[in-house]
Amino acid sequence: EVQLVESGGGLVESGGSLRLSCAASGFTFSDAWMSWVRQAPGKGLEWVGRVKSRSGGGTIDYAAPVKGRFTISRDDSKNTLYLQMNSLKTEDTAVYYCTADSPQPCCYTLDYWGQGSLVTVSS
Amino acid sequence: DIQMTQSPSSVSASVGDRVTITCRASQIINWLAWYQQKPGKAPKLLIYATSSLQSGVPSRFSGSGSGTDFTLTISSLQPEDFATYYCQQSNSFLISFGGGTKVEIK
Repeated sequence: EVQLVESGGGLVESGGSLRLSCAASGFTFSDAWMSWVRQAPGKGLEWVGRVKSRSGGGTIDYAAPVKGRFTISRDDSKNTLYLQMNSLKTEDTAVYYCTADSPQPCCYTLDYWGQGSLVTVSS
Repeated sequence: DIQMTQSPSSVSASVGDRVTITCRASQIINWLAWYQQKPGKAPKLLIYATSSLQSGVPSRFSGSGSGTDFTLTISSLQPEDFATYYCQQSNSFLISFGGGTKVEIK
């Protein structure tokens, strides 16, 4: 069974930093493309970014609102995905989900989701 | 970037009703995916490649469309279908979601 468990969320002041982790199990993590998606309170889904597998090139893409402030990384030896968030703003307040993706040529989907980790940025 | 616009933003319906949700892309895309999210839970993939049902998804859900206009149809709404639905596209591997459609009990 695929399991994704996020941790590291909490309350942080504006301008501060936080690192989220996502522990993966039930699949071959090193072969997986992984994303972060966030959801502000009462709002819709917003893709944050993604890291490809090493065999897929290992490249990382970010959404414009977080580019230059957030860094996605992975440790395949620990089956863990990370999201380092710096220079946090109040608008970064959200539940952050990690996902295990299906990068098929026909269609890229986010097949498995964690339970989410709440990040609250205070002013 | 491709923008995805869903309509309506909310719909009130009764059990047994047919419900259709529309997603429009700001430019032509090749396919679309749909997700269902219940309060306090993570989203769940329903449909991929525009019209293919994810394993375990009931057949009352269907997807269609092409170009810029796509639809999700629930043929006969069930109590467990009251939720928020999101469309999703990926262009050059950059992902964007629609704003969501909340299906509420009438």
